[in-house]
Amino acid sequence: SQQGEEDPQALSIQEGENATMNCSYKTSINNLQWYRQNSGRGLVHLILIRSNEREKHSGRLRVTLDTSKKSSSLLITASRAADTASYFCATAFSGNTGKLIFGQGTTLQVKP
Amino acid sequence: GAVVSQHPSRVICKSGTSVKIECRSLDFQATTMFWYRQFPKQSLMLMATSNEGSKATYEQGVEKDKFLINHASLTLSTLTVTSAHPEDSSFYICSARAGQGEGQPQHFGDGTRLSIL
Repeated sequence: SQQGEEDPQALSIQEGENATMNCSYKTSINNLQWYRQNSGRGLVHLILIRSNEREKHSGRLRVTLDTSKKSSSLLITASRAADTASYFCATAFSGNTGKLIFGQGTTLQVKP
Repeated sequence: GAVVSQHPSRVICKSGTSVKIECRSLDFQATTMFWYRQFPKQSLMLMATSNEGSKATYEQGVEKDKFLINHASLTLSTLTVTSAHPEDSSFYICSARAGQGEGQPQHFGDGTRLSIL
């Protein structure tokens, strides 16, 4: 399996604090994507970072990518209770099949 | 934004029943759709890639005769779980890409929770 690993598996913080999630993968990638899943729902795309990019921002989200270490991190700043969800990284490989391999996910709980 | 509709959202049926799940791209055409399976508190496992007008590509270990995929149009893919048994109970999710270029995100349906009694 080429599934990546994410840590922590679970994270509980207070509203207003920052949340950092990490993702590692095993092989060369074309891009890495982060998704969010609310309980019992589908996934929502958050941000995509290409293999030649090192950092990307979108609102309160900041994603970094270190291809030498085969790892990525997602930082959510000034968290809100509504950020409570599971977060998954997914890697896309060259060849344009569009196939994604998902990490194990991090469950984030933001307490009001 | 690109919207993917998945139906039904929940199915409860008896063992031996075949269940069809539909995945539609509402405002874009999708030559490729993906079917995933997710067990409680676990990640998504890719089952197959559905290609419009051709056979689906199944991941290793996924029984193609058990999980029939049909992608007859650019906006609809269906997954049929044939003769479902309790071990097939799971959360099934589909996704589609709005474009063909590398770097296109996938848009997900809201999933189908399948419970086989």
